[in-house]
Amino acid sequence: DADVTQTPRNRITKTGKRIMLECSQTKGHDRMYWYRQDPGLGLRLIYYSFDVKDINKGEISDGYSVSRQAQAKFSLSLESAIPNQTALYFCATSDRTSGSVGTQYFGPGTRLLVL
Amino acid sequence: AQSVTQLDSQVPVFEEAPVELRCNYSSSVSVYLFWYVQYPNQGLQLLLKYLSGSTLVKGINGFEAEFNKSQTSFHLRKPSVHISDTAEYFCAVSEADSWGKLQFGAGTQVVVTP
Repeated sequence: DADVTQTPRNRITKTGKRIMLECSQTKGHDRMYWYRQDPGLGLRLIYYSFDVKDINKGEISDGYSVSRQAQAKFSLSLESAIPNQTALYFCATSDRTSGSVGTQYFGPGTRLLVL
Repeated sequence: AQSVTQLDSQVPVFEEAPVELRCNYSSSVSVYLFWYVQYPNQGLQLLLKYLSGSTLVKGINGFEAEFNKSQTSFHLRKPSVHISDTAEYFCAVSEADSWGKLQFGAGTQVVVTP
């Protein structure tokens, strides 16, 4: 089984709808991240969480919210989806040891289309 | 603030030829440097990283990269590519005081043809 899973893998929604993307991990990592990938822009950080009670905004948090329900689960919500939120979304995890700094483990991604 | 520039958006290369992907960064503090690879329809995975020590870093699948502090570069190389190296490659930077947060470049698409 994959260490980092994302559901759904593909989603089509309409402008104004609320949607939630879910991420689960079995790696036992404390840290979890949400990114979006757009062609020509690379990956941009939306939110990150260093433990269950620690949630931080990333580079592009406007229009998004997150929930860390447990160490293993980190959900991303779009409160009112708009077309420019059409993108590929990735969840990632990492641990806190100094030797693994910057080493992140990515899920397979969720492809979101907002009509 | 840090930034990462990948100088080539796409690199076509023939099988068994060498490839070099260029990455430059800017930061006012010490950094850690990374290359990630994304195969078609997959998430990213770490190829290699520079944290400290030797400036020549070897990674998986025969890739290596060299950290050049004076030129603020971290170019990725492979002496002989395979068809299976077709993928998108991302350079990333983490500032030493950023608790491991990554800033990614825009990516370089490598297309290997026979």
